Amino acid sequence: DAGVIQSPRHEVTEMGQEVTLRCKPISGHNSLFWYRQTMMRGLELLIYFNNNVPIDDSGMPEDRFSAKMPNASFSTLKIQPSEPRDSAVYFCASSTGLIYTFGSGTRLTVV
Amino acid sequence: AQKVTQAQTEISVVEKEDVTLDCVYETRDTTYYLFWYKQPPSGELVFLIRRNSFDEQNEISGRYSWNFQKSTSSFNFTITASQVVDSAVYFCALRQDSNYQLIWGAGTKLIIKP
Repeated sequence: DAGVIQSPRHEVTEMGQEVTLRCKPISGHNSLFWYRQTMMRGLELLIYFNNNVPIDDSGMPEDRFSAKMPNASFSTLKIQPSEPRDSAVYFCASSTGLIYTFGSGTRLTVV
Repeated sequence: AQKVTQAQTEISVVEKEDVTLDCVYETRDTTYYLFWYKQPPSGELVFLIRRNSFDEQNEISGRYSWNFQKSTSSFNFTITASQVVDSAVYFCALRQDSNYQLIWGAGTKLIIKP
């Protein structure tokens, strides 16, 4: 298994642009999580899905952030419009409930 | 309320020393799971161990060992004969039986000096 696959690995964008982060979970994992990691705030849960259904999105910072999971093998996290304070590493993780596997992360820089 | 506390923000030791990273948790659930993850300088999050609340046996894996004590709500991690490659941020996390979210500690940055 290739593990959790995130793309892109790095993204540099200008303030105001739309950014889409992608995640392919491990086949057979029924939960998917999006995290954001910064030096100031550490690891923050943004949203998680169970069986493709959003369960808790209370961590999503504001309406500029949205996440979808159209099927069991794909999820996106979109930021529109992006702001410099969105600069962070965004991790996707998939899980069986007992096994939690993280992708390599997307390092987002908004200038 | 559920919470994970890693009181040690940063630890620095010389190679070959033993080092213990502390993790204290709070939960009202009787069934729960505890995890340790390693985040090396390259940035990925690497799974180290999972323990469920019914299994208080200590675990040893090579130079790594874990001490789970329900009486003190602690799940401490010891590295014996530390090596420079052990330098990383280590996170402790809790999953309650009632949902799939992981509650994370703030992490402990471990620096192993040659």
